[in-house]
Amino acid sequence: DAKTTQPPSMDCAEGRAANLPCNHSTISGNEYVYWYRQIHSQGPQYIIHGLKNNETNEMASLIITEDRKSSTLILPHATLRDTAVYYCIVRVSHGGSQGNLIFGKGTKLSVKP
Amino acid sequence: EPEVTQTPSHQVTQMGQEVILRCVPISNHLYFYWYRQILGQKVEFLVSFYNNEISEKSEIFDDQFSVERPDGSNFTLKIRSTKLEDSAMYFCASTAAPFGGNQPQHFGDGTRLSIL
Repeated sequence: DAKTTQPPSMDCAEGRAANLPCNHSTISGNEYVYWYRQIHSQGPQYIIHGLKNNETNEMASLIITEDRKSSTLILPHATLRDTAVYYCIVRVSHGGSQGNLIFGKGTKLSVKP
Repeated sequence: EPEVTQTPSHQVTQMGQEVILRCVPISNHLYFYWYRQILGQKVEFLVSFYNNEISEKSEIFDDQFSVERPDGSNFTLKIRSTKLEDSAMYFCASTAAPFGGNQPQHFGDGTRLSIL
């Protein structure tokens, strides 16, 4: 099972920031938090990842709490094309793993005009 | 930007037939994966592959499934005798290093497999 908890759905107005929360209270010290999104049955698209520091790239920002038990993905200016299911994933942490991803149900973000 | 490409985009097959799904991972990547997504359900891990052998597989990946890297570029998933419940989107992914190396997996856009 996925080690993360996300709200099933969220709405955001176009042009506003979308803040997507994720709880991962059992995360281990060497596990990263990864965010992916899936637009209408396309392949999952990598967005961003981090360990403990906040991260930013051209797509989004990732804010990780100091205790690392939760994080927030921020899309600074959401557009209609950001409507998708967003997945928060922590690396599977058993010995010898090649890092396969465990997907949960994610958050369905709907960006509205 | 380099992409993972998958062919065909849609495959329709009679139950009991063999099917091969093809993937071309990103060229400098070393670790390869197959996932599937049944309509309306979660994305599920099937198998990971490195150095010409399976690294890890899920319970879904039974004896009907096999993977191969027949040449330097292609990575294939074969289902020997398809069942109705094999109908799903199949996604290939690749990464330069496993997550222990802090590298994300990049996914293709999938093959929709429909079993009749």
